[in-house]
Amino acid sequence: QQQVKQSPQSLIVQKGGISIINCAYENTAFDYFPWYQQFPGKGPALLIAIRPDVSEKKEGRFTISFNKSAKQFSLHIMDSQPGDSATYFCAASKDQAGTALIFGKGTTLSVSS
Amino acid sequence: EAGVAQSPRYKIIEKRQSVAFWCNPISGHATLYWYQQILGQGPKLLIQFQNNGVVDDSQLPKDRFSAERLKGVDSTLKIQPAKLEDSAVYLCASSFSGGNTIYFGEGSWLTVV
Repeated sequence: QQQVKQSPQSLIVQKGGISIINCAYENTAFDYFPWYQQFPGKGPALLIAIRPDVSEKKEGRFTISFNKSAKQFSLHIMDSQPGDSATYFCAASKDQAGTALIFGKGTTLSVSS
Repeated sequence: EAGVAQSPRYKIIEKRQSVAFWCNPISGHATLYWYQQILGQGPKLLIQFQNNGVVDDSQLPKDRFSAERLKGVDSTLKIQPAKLEDSAVYLCASSFSGGNTIYFGEGSWLTVV
């Protein structure tokens, strides 16, 4: 059973455009939702994370929007740059001590110049 | 600060052979994870350690996979005998005890032929 569903699988955006990646989760016990960025040949690295007590969190060009009632959250990348081309994973976990993350299947983003 | 170290980075073995991967977490991180990432998919948790005790190994194929974390620092993941479907990147990650942010190594790429 896939607990975190991510879409789209791939995304092509022009430089300067907005990239939007969506995730939906099933387990209402989840209350920590990070996004990880992975470049080829590297391990995933934390990009931004949100907890359900807020509906939006912004860090630079990256914003997470969270909809608790719909059990959905999304990543928005403003002014997308070629350097943003990577695979993005949403994830979720229960906010307990050291609970492991459950990842979505990933979205491969290509930003064309 | 040194990151999560993994070795070897690449390994090619024949099916039914054995392989072992080593991980050294970030200093001070009590929690250590092994994830399996099959090409085109998100990381899937295999096993989680807290110090040298196992917290979660529910998705570890115990008939062929084993892992240990002696002395609560380094960890080894072993596969014996390997199957073709074990071809994947094996990611080691670590976090502070009770911390949500998980830091990944660059992974060990396994190809089973």
